[in-house]
Amino acid sequence: AQSVTQLGSHVSVSEGALVLLRCNYSSSVPPYLFWYVQYPNQGLQLLLKYTTGATLVKGINGFEAEFKKSETSFHLTKPSAHMSDAAEYFCAVSLNQAGTALIFGKGTTLSVSS
Amino acid sequence: GAVVSQHPSRVICKSGTSVKIECRSLDFQATTMFWYRQFPKQSLMLMATSNEGSKATYEQGVEKDKFLINHASLTLSTLTVTSAHPEDSSFYICSARDPLSYDGYTFGSGTRLTVV
Repeated sequence: AQSVTQLGSHVSVSEGALVLLRCNYSSSVPPYLFWYVQYPNQGLQLLLKYTTGATLVKGINGFEAEFKKSETSFHLTKPSAHMSDAAEYFCAVSLNQAGTALIFGKGTTLSVSS
Repeated sequence: GAVVSQHPSRVICKSGTSVKIECRSLDFQATTMFWYRQFPKQSLMLMATSNEGSKATYEQGVEKDKFLINHASLTLSTLTVTSAHPEDSSFYICSARDPLSYDGYTFGSGTRLTVV
């Protein structure tokens, strides 16, 4: 079975500061890992994903994440936070098998202050 | 890219009535779609996996008779909340995966259901 743990349900940063959202996974096989962002009352938008290959993945809006197998982690970072980054962020894991769903972490609310 | 359209975006219904939510893949054929439920300030919980032409697979604890799922075509899955009660009020989101290109999972914009 797969699972995702997001450490910290709420992260607050100042505008311009580094953003670090933590995600650890558990999977019996090599996982596919994702980060999604959700704004209030909206669906999910894919920020980035890791499937195979390069372990440092760059996504949209300046976000990136690094897959570290030894640490079973996939932390999301952004060098400089912007007010528009305030949202809910979800880490998710899946298997590369047809018909398998994404399993989500509990989410982290990012607040950005000026 | 792949687009999933979900309707309605908001619905208010009376207790005891049924509500149908539609999820359509607009530019690809989705043999499998997924239905999630999200409570306020919480994560997305997988309710069921919808398979075209066959019965849906429900997650443990999800009532099959309350949440009816139909996937009659390769582009349409529906979730019907039957005999709705206030505790069914939630945000429901569907998702589909384009089987021909792995570009992640595409999500609908969600449906806010309020049962009064």
